Amino acid sequence: GEDVEQSLFLSVREGDSSVINCTYTDSSSTYLYWYKQEPGAGLQLLTYIFSNMDMKQDQRLTVLLNKKDKHLSLRIADTQTGDSAIYFCAESKSGNTPLVFGKGTRLSVIA
Amino acid sequence: SQTIHQWPATLVQPVGSPLSLECTVEGTSNPNLYWYRQAAGRGLQLLFYSVGIGQISSEVPQNLSASRPQDRQFILSSKKLLLSDSGFYLCAWSGVYNEQFFGPGTRLTVL
Repeated sequence: GEDVEQSLFLSVREGDSSVINCTYTDSSSTYLYWYKQEPGAGLQLLTYIFSNMDMKQDQRLTVLLNKKDKHLSLRIADTQTGDSAIYFCAESKSGNTPLVFGKGTRLSVIA
Repeated sequence: SQTIHQWPATLVQPVGSPLSLECTVEGTSNPNLYWYRQAAGRGLQLLFYSVGIGQISSEVPQNLSASRPQDRQFILSSKKLLLSDSGFYLCAWSGVYNEQFFGPGTRLTVL
């Protein structure tokens, strides 16, 4: 199966919270990342979390890591129309090896 | 600060023609560099990565090749394009936490 799995679509109303989920398979992953891609643009690094952390918060973004279940989530508080994009989860397995990306979750924000 | 450039931004080429896409990074030295292809606005396919000048790792057999003639320059090439080479090509470099920073991308259409 895939190394990193994400649901393909998520739809939320403006002002609500969005939660995007991701599962990974490699328990030795050192860092996990969230990226945002707007139409026609490259991927923008939103945040990352070290594997020995449970949570990281940065303004409207909260990352939760459950290492036992190999589950990562990104919560966006007070979701805005500008948050509509594709969100990618990625894991770093070791050292300088390339990141492994999920297929992305398309977030649609309804006004 | 570091910046990454890609050009051209868009390209329309006939089947059988050659290809050269260029990526340059500023503000860092000896970065790991990556080429990805993204089809239909979804998942990323890692094509090549490089840990130094002249060092190229190929992830999938294909009609493409990569070169790194200078420390901060990464080139993606093809001698004869196929229809299946159409897509969105992204270059990236990785930082100290193996996080990847992406360029703006090149949209390639092969007709």
